[in-house]
Amino acid sequence: NAGVTQTPKFRILKIGQSMTLQCTQDMNHNYMYWYRQDPGMGLKLIYYSVGAGITDKGEVPNGYNVSRSTTEDFPLRLELAAPSQTSVYFCASTRGLAEPYEQYFGPGTRLTVT
Amino acid sequence: KQEVTQIPAALSVPEGENLVLNCSFTDSAIYNLQWFRQDPGKGLTSLLLIQSSQREQTSGRLNASLDKSSGRSTLYIAASQPGDSATYLCAGRSYGNKLVFGAGTILRVKS
Repeated sequence: NAGVTQTPKFRILKIGQSMTLQCTQDMNHNYMYWYRQDPGMGLKLIYYSVGAGITDKGEVPNGYNVSRSTTEDFPLRLELAAPSQTSVYFCASTRGLAEPYEQYFGPGTRLTVT
Repeated sequence: KQEVTQIPAALSVPEGENLVLNCSFTDSAIYNLQWFRQDPGKGLTSLLLIQSSQREQTSGRLNASLDKSSGRSTLYIAASQPGDSATYLCAGRSYGNKLVFGAGTILRVKS
């Protein structure tokens, strides 16, 4: 199993540009999550999904959109990038409301908006 | 709303020392608590997960405890090594299977 994979690893965007961060998991997990981590801070939840076709907002959803058309993929879309979106983005997954409850994380995407 | 706090923010110890990292949470209605390790520029690696019905979990030199009544969890690292140097994050799982993270403790073990 590759676990949770994310692409790209690094990206520099200009203000106002758009991009999609890709996330794929091969563990047949129902729940998937997007977090952002700012320097010196913990992770904050952007969006999450409990299954294909179902998504919901987390703590900091403004400026982002998600979709979940398959169990495996959970892309995060940034529209009109702003400097405040400079951060490291992590995707995670877990089986769901059954053991094991552990969340498994991807390696992250480091995004800079200038 | 669940809030998670970690103390200290940074810790520097000599090799071989036993140490304790602290995590506190405001909402005792927590389903489980997970400790992670994060190396610089890397993702998160799960270390230990304690269910709300458990008091502690052990893995090698690591021991994590959970006290829901006081809203606290501790991560004990025995006989610390330079390879233990990393940021340690705790996260509580609340309703909806969502994790709320602390800001982390940056650990440096000096050889």
